[in-house]
Amino acid sequence: GAGVSQSPSNKVTEKGKDVELRCDPISGHTALYWYRQSLGQGLEFLIYFQGNSAPDKSGLPSDRFSAERTGGSVSTLTIQRTQQEDSAVYLCASSLASSNQPQHFGDGTRLSIL
Amino acid sequence: ILNVEQSPQSLHVQEGDSTNFTCSFPSSNFYALHWYRWETAKSPEALFVMTLNGDEKKKGRISATLNTKEGYSYLYIKGSQPEDSATYLCAFCDSWGKLQFGAGTQVVVTP
Repeated sequence: GAGVSQSPSNKVTEKGKDVELRCDPISGHTALYWYRQSLGQGLEFLIYFQGNSAPDKSGLPSDRFSAERTGGSVSTLTIQRTQQEDSAVYLCASSLASSNQPQHFGDGTRLSIL
Repeated sequence: ILNVEQSPQSLHVQEGDSTNFTCSFPSSNFYALHWYRWETAKSPEALFVMTLNGDEKKKGRISATLNTKEGYSYLYIKGSQPEDSATYLCAFCDSWGKLQFGAGTQVVVTP
């Protein structure tokens, strides 16, 4: 079956522009996570959606970052007024449920801010 | 902020040798411990999800143990092969379902 799909795979944009990153999770997965990996760093948690519960936004680095998940499926991560430090690989993962189920990752979006 | 620490940061192994490395995590509010393998230019792939103290999991030549009381997990690779070269990530999962990843152990297996 289809895995987690992310688009675009690469995005180059100018500083100050807004970007939208998309994640299409595995069908039936109720939990969806966004992470990012900056150069030389580990995986940094950004936001977590679980079913219809309010998302855990505790990892979002600033109010320029937001995410939504429509209909419990597709999620969009939006970064407004991008800065150079936003350059990173943004990974999305989904799982059947939280905690004791493995996460399935997409291939990521490589975001470069000029 | 939780401290999930992995050591060593990197290691080089000769093909055929066995190796192991550590993940340490908080012993409070524990729900699960995840291990992932992350190969270059690919996405992280789940290896194990461990929930019980004393758990041992095995997948081929790779195995893992869990000690929740003292807050550590070991990952073992037996008879390392070049295809085992990757970064191995552990992640602490609390009861809310949120994962905190360690920085990873980068393993390089040389022929």
